[in-house]
Amino acid sequence: SQTIHQWPATLVQPVGSPLSLECTVEGTSNPNLYWYRQAAGRGLQLLFYSVGIGQISSEVPQNLSASRPQDRQFILSSKKLLLSDSGFYLCAWSVPGTGRTYEQYFGPGTRLTVT
Amino acid sequence: AQKVTQAQTEISVVEKEDVTLDCVYETRDTTYYLFWYKQPPSGELVFLIRRNSFDEQNEISGRYSWNFQKSTSSFNFTITASQVVDSAVYFCALSERDSSNTGKLIFGQGTTLQVKP
Repeated sequence: SQTIHQWPATLVQPVGSPLSLECTVEGTSNPNLYWYRQAAGRGLQLLFYSVGIGQISSEVPQNLSASRPQDRQFILSSKKLLLSDSGFYLCAWSVPGTGRTYEQYFGPGTRLTVT
Repeated sequence: AQKVTQAQTEISVVEKEDVTLDCVYETRDTTYYLFWYKQPPSGELVFLIRRNSFDEQNEISGRYSWNFQKSTSSFNFTITASQVVDSAVYFCALSERDSSNTGKLIFGQGTTLQVKP
C-alpha cells in the first residue's frame, strides 16, 4: 500500500530564516506530487506540482521554491521566510493519468509558524 | 473558467440530524472528475469519493451519500444520522482541464461542519 510522509510535523522559525520541508511517498513509482498551503481558516492554495524528477511547475510566484531530487521525494524550501509564509503545508500525490484525473492523497501536513 | 463553489461556509447540526453539503461547479469540459475530501481537526485531508462526468448514478457508502446532477452542475454530499466524529471541514474539488496530465484539482473554499452532541 502507498503511504506519504511529511516532516517536520510542526515548525517555528524566525523571519528571515531558511526553510526546508520534506515529503516522501512509498509504495508507488512516478507519482505526480503537489505542495499546498492552507492559511488559518482558509482554503487550499496549490503552490507547486511535479510530474517527474526535476520537473517543477509553480502556481504562485513567491519566495518559496520546490525541488524533486528523487522520484518519490518532494522538497519545499525558502531562503528567507516571511511572516506571510505561516500556514499549514500539505504534500499530496496522485497516480498520473492519461485523459483522466485520479484522486490526490495527502500527507499529515506541517504546521509552520513564522515569528 | 473552471470553478467550484461551496456556498455554505459553516453548518452546525445536532447529532443524528441529516445534513447536506452543497457543491456547485463550472466547467466547459465534457469529461471531468469531481471529488470530496474531509479534513478533520488533525489537518490531514482524507479522500472520500471520485466521480467522473459520465456516471451520474448516486452513490451511497454507509451514512454518506452523493448526489451528482449534471443538469444543475451540482455534486452534493449528504451525511445521514450525523455523529460528532463527522465534525470537519469538507472540500469539494473539480479536475482542471489538463492536456499535460498533471492531475491538478480545483478546490472549493470548504464547508465547516460542526456536529453537536
